[in-house]
Amino acid sequence: SQELEQSPQSLIVQEGKNLTINCTSSKTLYGLYWYKQKYGEGLIFLMMLQKGGEEKSHEKITAKLDEKKQQSSLHITASQPSHAGIYLCGAAAGSSNTGKLIFGQGTTLQVKP
Amino acid sequence: NAGVTQTPKFQVLKTGQSMTLQCAQDMNHEYMSWYRQDPGMGLRLIHYSVGAGITDQGEVPNGYNVSRSTTEDFPLRLLSAAPSQTSVYFCASSYSPQGEQYFGPGTRLTVT
Repeated sequence: SQELEQSPQSLIVQEGKNLTINCTSSKTLYGLYWYKQKYGEGLIFLMMLQKGGEEKSHEKITAKLDEKKQQSSLHITASQPSHAGIYLCGAAAGSSNTGKLIFGQGTTLQVKP
Repeated sequence: NAGVTQTPKFQVLKTGQSMTLQCAQDMNHEYMSWYRQDPGMGLRLIHYSVGAGITDQGEVPNGYNVSRSTTEDFPLRLLSAAPSQTSVYFCASSYSPQGEQYFGPGTRLTVT
């Protein structure tokens, strides 16, 4: 079965610093989703990547899917306290027609003012 | 639109009790899923549905039942609660199988 491994598991950065979170799949990715979760709340959709080499940005967050489609990175530029939370990557599990997703274990980000 | 709603927000059960976690969406989404979230383990899929009347098992289905009689509702039933089912439960829905999944706010369940 497919597995997603995120690194690092947790991260503490000073406000204003850049950071990167990685998501590595044991199998080829056919759709990679990034979500953010604040403690005690639901997941907020950030971005979806489907094509090898694809890169998307939203405000100060950029996500890339590598050419071989087995790894994705999420990069935050000039981090702010509002970026703090848990970041999860998700991928289509099994058949692409079911809407099933598997998730990585999450990366907890703290941003120190 | 209310999006995806879940009730209750918090619940405490005793071992052996049964209960139903409610999930509803008003976006006319065909695809709905239930996940549980445990520390250090991300989200794990319990059951999912590709439309009214069609459900299937996910990664961790034991101890849970689902049904989908309408497009809007996808309740999750705990048959006989066990402490191992202490977790945060999330319901999600999407318009298409590859589309963005919208998540509810979660139900925090404690089984003593």
